[in-house]
Amino acid sequence: GDSVTQMEGPVTLSEEAFLTINCTYTATGYPSLFWYVQYPGEGLQLLLKATKADDKGSNKGFEATYRKETTSFHLEKGSVQVSDSAVYFCALDILTGGGNKLTFGTGTQLKVEL
Amino acid sequence: DTEVTQTPKHLVMGMTNKKSLKCEQHMGHRAMYWYKQKAKKPPELMFVYSYEKLSINESVPSRFSPECPNSSLLNLHLHALQPEDSALYLCASSQSGQPNTEAFFGQGTRLTVV
Repeated sequence: GDSVTQMEGPVTLSEEAFLTINCTYTATGYPSLFWYVQYPGEGLQLLLKATKADDKGSNKGFEATYRKETTSFHLEKGSVQVSDSAVYFCALDILTGGGNKLTFGTGTQLKVEL
Repeated sequence: DTEVTQTPKHLVMGMTNKKSLKCEQHMGHRAMYWYKQKAKKPPELMFVYSYEKLSINESVPSRFSPECPNSSLLNLHLHALQPEDSALYLCASSQSGQPNTEAFFGQGTRLTVV
């Protein structure tokens, strides 16, 4: 079945450090790929998305490139801030006969310290 | 308006109680979803409604009963729950049956079963 594998957390970084969170996927068909962010006590917000191979999604300084050859969608940011502390979920979306189904990775908690 | 509104934000209920969670969106989305999220885990899909019809039920126990009264509202009726059902319940909406579609999530209802 379809699945997403994310690197284990928590990840602790100093402010202005470089961030990479690895994500790989297994899917039949051609999924769209997403990164969602969840701040403490809140729901999920879409951070960025990519809909086909070689697409790059970007938002708020975060980037991820849809790599079909390595089935990966790694999240990167050049300089993290304390306000980026949250849980990050990689997800894929498959359109089935019943509708869209989002499958999430296990989530990676990021803590950014001064 | 890109909001999905969920009420209540918090709910404590006994195992013999009947309660309902409510979700509302005014983005014209025709697909609505219920997810369950346990602490430190990713969201898990429970139900999908497409054009007000139940299209996906991920083998959810019958003590959870979804309802979609119209295209803007989604309810989750709860009855005879168990303590292990305590979790964050997230509602989401998206364009129905479209590839590459973004799901918008509400803030969630944090449910505690005592």
